[in-house]
Amino acid sequence: AQTVTQSQPEMSVQEAETVTLSCTYDTSESDYYLFWYKQPPSRQMILVIRQEAYKQQNATENRFSVNFQKAAKSFSLKISDSQLGDAAMYFCASRGPRQGGSEKLVFGKGTKLTVNP
Amino acid sequence: NAGVTQTPKFQVLKTGQSMTLQCAQDMNHNSMYWYRQDPGMGLRLIYYSASEGTTDKGEVPNGYNVSRLNKREFSLRLESAAPSQTSVYFCASSAHREDTQYFGPGTRLTVL
Repeated sequence: AQTVTQSQPEMSVQEAETVTLSCTYDTSESDYYLFWYKQPPSRQMILVIRQEAYKQQNATENRFSVNFQKAAKSFSLKISDSQLGDAAMYFCASRGPRQGGSEKLVFGKGTKLTVNP
Repeated sequence: NAGVTQTPKFQVLKTGQSMTLQCAQDMNHNSMYWYRQDPGMGLRLIYYSASEGTTDKGEVPNGYNVSRLNKREFSLRLESAAPSQTSVYFCASSAHREDTQYFGPGTRLTVL
């Protein structure tokens, strides 16, 4: 079965500092995608970044970047220059087995990030 | 362009009551999904619909039914609500064979 593990239930960072959130996954797929979603107190799930498994280059979106280690099945999220608005739950997710053309996501349990002023 | 919308935002039910959660998307997506989010459990897939007229079970389908009314709308029905169904419910959609799912704002359901 597809699994995603986030080993850090909570993390904290000082404003303007850098923090890394960990994620490991297990999949039998050869072609898959990985995602980080942010969930602020408003509850909305917001896509932060995504990585295609076939791409060697790590994805980057402004202050957010990933360290994708395919052999180790590791997909960590680095947030640089942390801002108060980055405080949220962060969920790692992978695309599950392809059935009927629909792309099901499997989520980790989340990491709660606190940003201290 | 509203994206994915869900109604209602909040709902309180008594055990045994029924209700339907509504979801609609205006992005012309083929695939739609229902997830539930419980504390400490992350999001778990209840049902999904790869295209209009098709539905499939996800990880936790028991106690739920779904209807893909048309391409835009995907509803989730609780026939006889139980306290174990107290949760936050999210609807999501994605373009056919495209992997980014876009989520609605969620419905907080409490079953007493």
